[in-house]
Amino acid sequence: DSGVTQTPKHLITATGQRVTLRCSPRSGDLSVYWYQQSLDQGLQFLIQYYNGEERAKGNILERFSAQQFPDLHSELNLSSLELGDSALYFCASSPLAGGVGELFFGEGSRLTVL
Amino acid sequence: KNEVEQSPQNLTAQEGEFITINCSYSVGISALHWLQQHPGGGIVSLFMLSSGKKKHGRLIATINIQEKHSSLHITASHPRDSAVYICAVKGLGANTGNQFYFGTGTSLTVIP
Repeated sequence: DSGVTQTPKHLITATGQRVTLRCSPRSGDLSVYWYQQSLDQGLQFLIQYYNGEERAKGNILERFSAQQFPDLHSELNLSSLELGDSALYFCASSPLAGGVGELFFGEGSRLTVL
Repeated sequence: KNEVEQSPQNLTAQEGEFITINCSYSVGISALHWLQQHPGGGIVSLFMLSSGKKKHGRLIATINIQEKHSSLHITASHPRDSAVYICAVKGLGANTGNQFYFGTGTSLTVIP
């Protein structure tokens, strides 16, 4: 058990809809990372938050947004969903802001868009 | 252009064999991570390296910052080592925007 909790584990929805994925980091970790893993593109970095502020941005679509709340949990919002958004979405936490902190992954949220 | 290249893509080994997976990267980094993903989908971080060498049980990871290369070694491989191994780097500086870049993974199968 990594100590990182992601909900929901599975989600099935229709095109055009909006969903919210939630991540609770390990106790004390200030950094939260979001990643997308699809069959055709592998793992991709979406965004990082550190102590409530956006720290780094990757290949995150404009239809997607994220935030980190004062209690350090984070949410990833996906809107106007398309078939291609079907993927595993992972959250990871780390105690540090930069890259030198160990990463602890949640079990992922599997999104299926029909 | 892939910032991170891994080889081999697929690897089959007999139980007990010594295994090496290689990772080369093209950007400046603050750290390199080796990740393990089992068929169930969960990801576990095996190592985080910024220099030198680390060992954990039968796993050894090395990094050469000057050559921008890292290797993951598994000694005395076991069927439970069967998984996908992914190399990931955290970029450093304005050029990379401090992003993560991932290799495409090495699928390892260890046969009893």
